[in-house]
Amino acid sequence: DQQVKQNSPSLSVQEGRISILNCDYTNSMFDYFLWYKKYPAEGPTFLISISSIKDKNEDGRFTVFLNKSAKHLSLHIVPSQPGDSAVYFCAVCLYSGAGSYQLTFGKGTKLSVIP
Amino acid sequence: GAVVSQHPSRVICKSGTSVKIECRSLDFQATTMFWYRQFPKQSLMLMATSNEGSKATYEQGVEKDKFLINHASLTLSTLTVTSAHPEDSSFYICSATLGTGGPSPLHFGNGTRLTVT
Repeated sequence: DQQVKQNSPSLSVQEGRISILNCDYTNSMFDYFLWYKKYPAEGPTFLISISSIKDKNEDGRFTVFLNKSAKHLSLHIVPSQPGDSAVYFCAVCLYSGAGSYQLTFGKGTKLSVIP
Repeated sequence: GAVVSQHPSRVICKSGTSVKIECRSLDFQATTMFWYRQFPKQSLMLMATSNEGSKATYEQGVEKDKFLINHASLTLSTLTVTSAHPEDSSFYICSATLGTGGPSPLHFGNGTRLTVT
């Protein structure tokens, strides 16, 4: 059973508009959440993260929102740019405090930003 | 910033042979590295956690005798796919974290596309 679900395999957005990518998780114990961006034939690149003590984290055009009661997080990209076209992975973890941790990934959402 | 280098990026081998994939942390020492595998249109699946100087921890369902992991130094972990078969064809990605006193994002290598013929 998937612990992390990204229910939209793909999303198309017009350039300049907002892109909203969603992610749901099942285990309320997860306490650290990340978004990664991946281009074909490359490894994922870290984008933005949020810990469970916050409900919002913003970095430039990227904002991550966390709704712990709903076990839901989302990534907002505004304004969207063609270079944002990639696969976006949501990842969650249970941070052990020992300096290392394991991530559980969703299946990804392919974002296409149309010029 | 921190960089993880993975080599080779692409390898084609014959069934029954072994393939070694290297993962290096270039700007930092990584006591822990992770090995993931990705099938087409699927999520990244953790295969094993590689700890410097000790045995790797494998996830359930991953054959430790088939996927040999060696983490001999603080900057190098290797994954050897032994006696490869066509079903081992996949995209393998390593990652490492700075792990300094709090959650830090994993940095990923660019992955290795393995094709077993």
